[in-house]
Amino acid sequence: EVQLVESGGGLVKPGGSLRLSCAASGFTFRSYTLNWVRQAPGKGLEWVSSISSSSSYIYYADSVKGRFTISRDNAKDSLYLQMDSLRADDTAIYYCARREMIFGVSHLDYWGQGTLVTVSS
Amino acid sequence: DIQMTQSPSSLSASVGDRVTITCRASQSINSYLNWYQQKPGKAPRLLIYAASSLQSGVPSRFSGSGSGTDFTLTISSLQPEDFATYYCQQTYSTPQGTFGQGTRVEIK
Repeated sequence: EVQLVESGGGLVKPGGSLRLSCAASGFTFRSYTLNWVRQAPGKGLEWVSSISSSSSYIYYADSVKGRFTISRDNAKDSLYLQMDSLRADDTAIYYCARREMIFGVSHLDYWGQGTLVTVSS
Repeated sequence: DIQMTQSPSSLSASVGDRVTITCRASQSINSYLNWYQQKPGKAPRLLIYAASSLQSGVPSRFSGSGSGTDFTLTISSLQPEDFATYYCQQTYSTPQGTFGQGTRVEIK
């Protein structure tokens, strides 16, 4: 069974840092592109960042570029998101999600349960 | 950037109703369109990918159609467990995969 389990969320002051983790199991982790997607309270879904299977391709949303760093450890089946210079509008539930591609169309077929990040003084 | 607009933003329906949700892209995205369901306090769940392909394990009352700029998610007979928020997502312009703003389906 595919499982993605996020951890590391919490309350942090503006300007602070936090590192999220996502532990994967039930599939060949090193073969998949992984994503972080967030959802602010009462709002919709926003893609944050993605990292290819071998970390060769890394992308960020403009809203987090220069402040967040995505990484992965294929030996540990783990995905990470280092978040620096946090702002109040980064407050959200952060989900890790696996990207699948069929018929050349990518989609996010498995999601973790999410971890809440609250940025407040 | 490609913008995704869903309509309506919310709807009220009864069990057994046929429900249709529309998603429009600001430019052609071929069939690079996915649909997700999200229940309160839960992670999103993939329903439909590539505009019309049903994800494994998803009930057949869910279906998707469309290509280019206009897409539709249809629930043929609404069930109690279908009350949720539905999001479309384009992945034509990867990796960002823009989501629509969501459509909340409520009980009438």
